[in-house]
Amino acid sequence: NAGVTQTPKFRVLKTGQSMTLLCAQDMNHEYMYWYRQDPGMGLRLIHYSVGEGTTAKGEVPDGYNVSRLKKQNFLLGLESAAPSQTSVYFCASSPGTISTFGSGTRLTVV
Amino acid sequence: GIQVEQSPPDLILQEGANSTLRCNFSDSVNNLQWFHQNPWGQLINLFYIPSGTKQNGRLSATTVATERYSLLYISSSQTTDSGVYFCARTLGYSTLTFGKGTMLLVSP
Repeated sequence: NAGVTQTPKFRVLKTGQSMTLLCAQDMNHEYMYWYRQDPGMGLRLIHYSVGEGTTAKGEVPDGYNVSRLKKQNFLLGLESAAPSQTSVYFCASSPGTISTFGSGTRLTVV
Repeated sequence: GIQVEQSPPDLILQEGANSTLRCNFSDSVNNLQWFHQNPWGQLINLFYIPSGTKQNGRLSATTVATERYSLLYISSSQTTDSGVYFCARTLGYSTLTFGKGTMLLVSP
């Protein structure tokens, strides 16, 4: 049972480039989330989804888009990357109680 | 917004020592989770504890919702306990508001 899988694990982007981070969960959880973690900070919620075909904004949504076309997948897109988006990105899923986190994607925008 | 404050920010312990980490909330607690982030960055859920006390081995947690705080106790600490401990308040649809964490280093 893999849990929550994130790809890629590391990525370096140039300013203005676009990319998509993929999150997949095999626990049949309804809820999925994208958080970012910056040095010395706790995680902050970017976007979340409460079911297939739904998305909602979190605390820091600007510069990101998301899609949940299938229940098991939650995609995070950066249309035009900025240095301020350098961070570690965590995906999580939940059945409505405990959240299970992926291992993170370290993104550097130069 | 809802504030989640953790103390202390940093803690260094000798192996075998006990410690208490604290989490304060600016608003009422619907639910609360404690996480451990290991040195490799993986986040592991330790407790899901809206109120009362729970224990899991050497770790235990107590949440006093009426007084807006939660405590995480680590007894007989081991080097593998090192990392960052986060508390997070659960909001709608199980979204989480995290504190800034307590960085713990347990030395042999």
